[in-house]
Amino acid sequence: GAVVSQHPSRVICKSGTSVKIECRSLDFQATTMFWYRQFPKQSLMLMATSNEGSKATYEQGVEKDKFLINHASLTLSTLTVTSAHPEDSSFYICSAMGANNSPLHFGNGTRLTVT
Amino acid sequence: RKEVEQDPGPFNVPEGATVAFNCTYSNSASQSFFWYRQDCRKEPKLLMSVYSSGNEDGRFTAQLNRASQYISLLIRDSKLSDSATYLCVTKGKLIFGQGTELSVKP
Repeated sequence: GAVVSQHPSRVICKSGTSVKIECRSLDFQATTMFWYRQFPKQSLMLMATSNEGSKATYEQGVEKDKFLINHASLTLSTLTVTSAHPEDSSFYICSAMGANNSPLHFGNGTRLTVT
Repeated sequence: RKEVEQDPGPFNVPEGATVAFNCTYSNSASQSFFWYRQDCRKEPKLLMSVYSSGNEDGRFTAQLNRASQYISLLIRDSKLSDSATYLCVTKGKLIFGQGTELSVKP
């Protein structure tokens, strides 16, 4: 069964609104979660690394004021796309890592469409 | 040079064929490597970890060559259901390759 749950799986919103995406690790504690974005026919692009209890680390070119990340507990990280625009339409995927050499487990992704 | 680079593909192969993908990485300190499979419009799913000694899981074999800094994935006896995009990732900084698209035809 799924070990990382992501919600919602699909969202359509109007330009200018904010959208919150949740990522939960279901049966393990994830001190670190990762947020990716994927445009059609392109690779997964790491947006930020979310650390429980501290500020997220953003990759170059990712606006931290636009993509707000909160890692409130060992099992939950949220990504809020603020003032969404059509160019933010994409597939957003979270992942979480358990112990040191364990692989990443991905959420089922959120397909965001901004009209 | 990108941190992780993959054969661009697409690879179009007939059923039953053997196909191999390579993935090169630039950070020699990278410790852990994985192959993921991503179906269209879905999240990546772990296919297999890559161990230093090489590992095999049914029709799939993964190998690591630290000297040349690449990992490989070999698929034997390709099935139609193997059609997907295959992603390699190094756990050093969780950078994914751009993916290699495989299409297995009847």
